[in-house]
Amino acid sequence: DAKTTQPTSMDCAEGRAANLPCNHSTISGNEYVYWYRQIHSQGPQYIIHGLKNNETNEMASLIITEDRKSSTLILPHATLRDTAVYYCIVLQRNSNSGYALNFGKGTSLLVTP
Amino acid sequence: GAGVSQSPSNKVTEKGKDVELRCDPISGHTALYWYRQSLGQGLEFLIYFQGNSAPDKSGLPSDRFSAERTGGSVSTLTIQRTQQEDSAVYLCASMGGAGANVLTFGAGSRLTVL
Repeated sequence: DAKTTQPTSMDCAEGRAANLPCNHSTISGNEYVYWYRQIHSQGPQYIIHGLKNNETNEMASLIITEDRKSSTLILPHATLRDTAVYYCIVLQRNSNSGYALNFGKGTSLLVTP
Repeated sequence: GAGVSQSPSNKVTEKGKDVELRCDPISGHTALYWYRQSLGQGLEFLIYFQGNSAPDKSGLPSDRFSAERTGGSVSTLTIQRTQQEDSAVYLCASMGGAGANVLTFGAGSRLTVL
């Protein structure tokens, strides 16, 4: 039970913005939304996280809806190297109790030339 | 170390043999996770250690799987009497300390059971 749902796959043209959606309708007030990506044959890599405000870093932007039930990861100018599986998870920021993080199957993003 | 280190990076074994996979987390990280990823599949949670608390073993697929974490640092995942369906990449991740809970993953240990 991953607590999030994502489309199985998406395509994006190189240079265009990639918008990856995630539904987390059962998110609780103290849970953050985290995004990771996994490039083939590598371990997952942290991208960005947020609570309720939109966030931006050097890799991506994160847009969280006002009701926090969904979010969108935006890669503003996708490159071929952004081809990867993108995982959206929810996590308590300061969890000191057992917390099984279930990643689900993520969205397989294919960036095409 | 600077990152999460896993060994061996590749392991080929015969069905029925036992294997041990090692994870060296980032120094100071109190939480340590093991995941399994079969070919073309997502990450499957196996076990979670947090400080001195009892580990969350709810993801272990059978009693052939066990893990321990000694001294709150290095962890070993042991698979006894390996089966072909155990073939997968086993990923370790750690997190903790001040700031955001950011999981940092190792490169994984690829296990092939013949």
